[in-house]
Amino acid sequence: ETGVTQSPTHLIKTRGQQVTLRCSSQSGHNTVSWYQQALGQGPQFIFQYYREEENGRGNFPPRFSGLQFPNYSSELNVNALELDDSALYLCASSSNPPHTGELFFGEGSRLTVL
Amino acid sequence: ELKVEQNPLFLSMQEGKNYTIYCNYSTTSDRLYWYRQDPGKSLESLFVLLSNGAVKQEGRLMASLDTKARLSTLHITAAVHDLSATYFCAVEAVPGTYKYIFGTGTRLKVLA
Repeated sequence: ETGVTQSPTHLIKTRGQQVTLRCSSQSGHNTVSWYQQALGQGPQFIFQYYREEENGRGNFPPRFSGLQFPNYSSELNVNALELDDSALYLCASSSNPPHTGELFFGEGSRLTVL
Repeated sequence: ELKVEQNPLFLSMQEGKNYTIYCNYSTTSDRLYWYRQDPGKSLESLFVLLSNGAVKQEGRLMASLDTKARLSTLHITAAVHDLSATYFCAVEAVPGTYKYIFGTGTRLKVLA
């Protein structure tokens, strides 16, 4: 069974640039969620994708956008990067059904914005 | 504002001792989740509690859920160094929304 994989693992961008982060869900999982985790904080929900559509969104501005592909993999795009966007971005997959809500996380993409 | 609060935020304990981490939440969710995060690593699912009164145990960790009190506990029995990590609880913001709110985390350090 293949777990959740994310790429890249680390990246450095400058303010105003755009970034795309990628995630492959765990085998058999059709739902992908993205979380932002700032240093020393708990993860913050960005959005979730199910059947290629956004299925819930947290308190993040529109410059945070995403996609889910037919193979359930997903991308997170962030435009006009700000210094505060520096964080660990976590992708989590889950199955639905059954909807137990248990999330399986990838290793994350650590983004530094200079 | 929906809140998930954990206490303590930091916990330093000796090996062999027992302790409890508390998770209070303000949503109406009847499900709660515990995750573990090692430094620089991702989150690992520990427990899924799906109803009031649920109790799950794995090794030296035991989690319980009281939805009426909106409280979950994570009890550590006879701590060992390998349990050193940050522990997060999480609840669904509104049942059926798939939006999960994580607590502030409890950073546990077990001293040999």
